[in-house]
Amino acid sequence: GAVVSQHPSRVICKSGTSVKIECRSLDFQATTMFWYRQFPKQSLMLMATSNEGSKATYEQGVEKDKFLINHASLTLSTLTVTSAHPEDSSFYICSARPGWQRIYGYTFGSGTRLTVV
Amino acid sequence: GQNIDQPTEMTATEGAIVQINCTYQTSGFNGLFWYQQHAGEAPTFLSYNVLDGLEEKGRFSSFLSRSKGYSYLLLKELQMKDSASYLCAVRPYDSSNTGKLIFGQGTTLQVKP
Repeated sequence: GAVVSQHPSRVICKSGTSVKIECRSLDFQATTMFWYRQFPKQSLMLMATSNEGSKATYEQGVEKDKFLINHASLTLSTLTVTSAHPEDSSFYICSARPGWQRIYGYTFGSGTRLTVV
Repeated sequence: GQNIDQPTEMTATEGAIVQINCTYQTSGFNGLFWYQQHAGEAPTFLSYNVLDGLEEKGRFSSFLSRSKGYSYLLLKELQMKDSASYLCAVRPYDSSNTGKLIFGQGTTLQVKP
């Protein structure tokens, strides 16, 4: 149980275009999901906390107008990188926490490798 | 602010024991997690500590001292497949109770034959 599916796994886009990444909880409902980015050989940096039915909470220094988060249902959160630039190239990972797994429930998606050319 | 420190890299020999340390300074404490991450993959859960002491789980053990802001992950009988990054993550006090985690920079462990 507690599977998180993330798509796409890899995407290459042109500079100036937008890219949407989906994060789905397959067998549980997730009122809260988290979005991270990871640069090569670095750790996960929390970008924002996605809340079902309300606005996302962004970490300091993360542009909310550039990284649009929508959490329209209890099983789906999306991250849209708008007007992407090469410096946005990174590994983006989502995670979710089932309510019935209070301790062990931070399940991660498989990540999305974004390359902006 | 939040600060979590781990060594950047470690090397150990197959069959040996290795200890990866993590120190933290966070706004409150609601638990510490260790994750394993292979290159290009998502992190996978290893252990969780919220009370002081040692938690053992097969070849992996994790220790926590809240008063010292310190944890370590102990890997015994190292195998080649243990070569990966090991991430220390703390759940700080969070007034919204979202449960967000703050990660350290990760320790890349290389196991040699």
